Amino acid sequence: DAGVTQSPTHLIKTRGQQVTLRCSPISGHKSVSWYQQVLGQGPQFIFQYYEKEERGRGNFPDRFSARQFPNYSSELNVNALLLGDSALYLCASSFDRAPLWEQYFGPGTRLTVT
Amino acid sequence: ILNVEQSPQSLHVQEGDSTNFTCSFPSSNFYALHWYRWETAKSPEALFVMTLNGDEKKKGRISATLNTKEGYSYLYIKGSQPEDSATYLCAFGSGNTGKLIFGQGTTLQVKP
Repeated sequence: DAGVTQSPTHLIKTRGQQVTLRCSPISGHKSVSWYQQVLGQGPQFIFQYYEKEERGRGNFPDRFSARQFPNYSSELNVNALLLGDSALYLCASSFDRAPLWEQYFGPGTRLTVT
Repeated sequence: ILNVEQSPQSLHVQEGDSTNFTCSFPSSNFYALHWYRWETAKSPEALFVMTLNGDEKKKGRISATLNTKEGYSYLYIKGSQPEDSATYLCAFGSGNTGKLIFGQGTTLQVKP
């Protein structure tokens, strides 16, 4: 079975630009969560989507948005990029939305903002 | 603000040594505690999800315990091997969303 996939693997953008990151969950998983990880810190929760609706939001500005499609894949959009948005963006899928379910992580998208 | 703390930050051991790490989390509104292993250039891999006070889980040479009343979990590795070298993350879940609050991780280096 395929695991969680993310695209692209790496991305270089300029300040002020917009970026879209993509995630495909494990087949049968309905929940997708997005995390931002900067060097030396643990991943920080950005969003959770379950059944195409936002179910949780972390402490991130409105420049960050996401959506989930009928096939449960998801996109994370970041507008007006800042240097501080440079990070590894991880997507995780789980069968259901509650935290007692294992979350399976993708390999991440490395975003560099110059 | 919910805080998850892990100690030590890094650890260097010899092959064959046994080791343990600590994860401290809020003792209120507890729902689940996750442990992950994250090897360089790979995806974080789920080790355990623990939900009940007193839970003990084991996978091969790795085991974990949970104390929700005092807000801590221990991860033990028996007879460390070089392939155990990785960053070990714990994550606290509360409420009915999938939001996990991660600690900063413990980086383990096992020397042959």
